[in-house]
Amino acid sequence: QVQLQESGPGLVQPSETLSLTCTVSGVSIMTYSWTWIRQPPGKGLEWIGYISYSGNTEYNPSLKSRVTISGDTSQNQLSLKLTSVTAADTAVYYCARERGLLTGPLNPWGQGTLVTVSS
Amino acid sequence: SNELTQPPSVSVSPGQTARITCSSDALAKQYSYWYQQKPGQAPVLVIYRDNERFSGIPERFSGSSSGTTVTLTIDGVQAEDEADYYCQSADSSGTYVIFGGGTKLTVL
Repeated sequence: QVQLQESGPGLVQPSETLSLTCTVSGVSIMTYSWTWIRQPPGKGLEWIGYISYSGNTEYNPSLKSRVTISGDTSQNQLSLKLTSVTAADTAVYYCARERGLLTGPLNPWGQGTLVTVSS
Repeated sequence: SNELTQPPSVSVSPGQTARITCSSDALAKQYSYWYQQKPGQAPVLVIYRDNERFSGIPERFSGSSSGTTVTLTIDGVQAEDEADYYCQSADSSGTYVIFGGGTKLTVL
């Protein structure tokens, strides 16, 4: 059974870098592509970006200048870094497995982790 | 347009049929996917490739596609179906993932 678990600081200072980890169990991250999504409180889903099984990445154009997604095969983990954060980056951040051609269905999802940007 | 447009809300009585639409020019070229999200929970895949029901999803859920509009249909709605529903697809080039704004389904 594939399971994903997001982790990282729940509070980040404005202008700092948000760093999250997604720990994957039940499958090697090298066999699928993986996606990060976020959801501001009370709002809809926003795609952040993905990393393919071969390590290629693609990002939401609106976040591209601030986002980096990478994978650590030794730890079977994914990471998300978002620089120069503001209050608008406050959201629940999810990682999910992509089961198609990079832009396909997402299953399963992690439980999500709330990140608040505030001083 | 590469945006996915959903109605903000849909209300139905138990046992009735709920239909949630999602529209975009991109849907003429790209597959659609539907997710159900209940309060405090992560989204769950319901429909993939426009009309394929995902494993474990009740048969009352179905998907359809016509041109630039896709529809999630729930026949015989139950109270447990009350949730937010999101459609997902890709932009016309197939490079970026896009989500609809979400539809809140209320079971009266």
